[in-house]
Amino acid sequence: KQEVTQIPAALSVPEGENLVLNCSFTDSAIYNLQWFRQDPGKGLTSLLLIQSSQREQTSGRLNASLDKSSGRSTLYIAASQPGDSATYLCAFLGDRGSTLGRLYFGRGTQLTVWP
Amino acid sequence: NAGVTQTPKFQVLKTGQSMTLQCAQDMNHEYMSWYRQDPGMGLRLIHYSVGAGITDQGEVPNGYNVSRSTTEDFPLRLLSAAPSQTSVYFCASSLGDTDTQYFGPGTRLTVL
Repeated sequence: KQEVTQIPAALSVPEGENLVLNCSFTDSAIYNLQWFRQDPGKGLTSLLLIQSSQREQTSGRLNASLDKSSGRSTLYIAASQPGDSATYLCAFLGDRGSTLGRLYFGRGTQLTVWP
Repeated sequence: NAGVTQTPKFQVLKTGQSMTLQCAQDMNHEYMSWYRQDPGMGLRLIHYSVGAGITDQGEVPNGYNVSRSTTEDFPLRLLSAAPSQTSVYFCASSLGDTDTQYFGPGTRLTVL
């Protein structure tokens, strides 16, 4: 069974710091992974999607990497800002043979960036 | 584009009542799904659809029904609400089952 673990569960940092959020998974048979952002009381916003054949994806101050062999993904946030405060979720799409389109979610890392 | 919309935003039901959570998307996406989010747990898949007229069960389908008569709409029905169905429900859509998924704002449901 696919298990997704996100560490740390919560993180509080001053503005300007560079951050690394970690995500690990137990089954390497993944098709792709997505990192999402969730603001309190809101839906999920897709940040980055990495295909299983890729090593990383970048969007602005965000960089996500994928290492299937070690079962890990990281989300790097450069020069953090208070507006980055949110819960960050990673989710994997299982490879063929899994339930179509089913995303396996971690429980998230709650990030607070203070001025 | 409005993206993925969900109604209502909040709902309180009594045990045994029925209701339908609405979900619509205007992106011409074939794949749509419903998740529930509970405290301390990751989101879990309830039902999904790969196109109009085609639906299937996810991880936690018991107590829920779905149908997909059009590409745009994917309603979730609670036949007889139970307190265990108190949760936040999210609808998502994507072009295909392996593409980026876009989520709606959610419906917060409380069953008393």
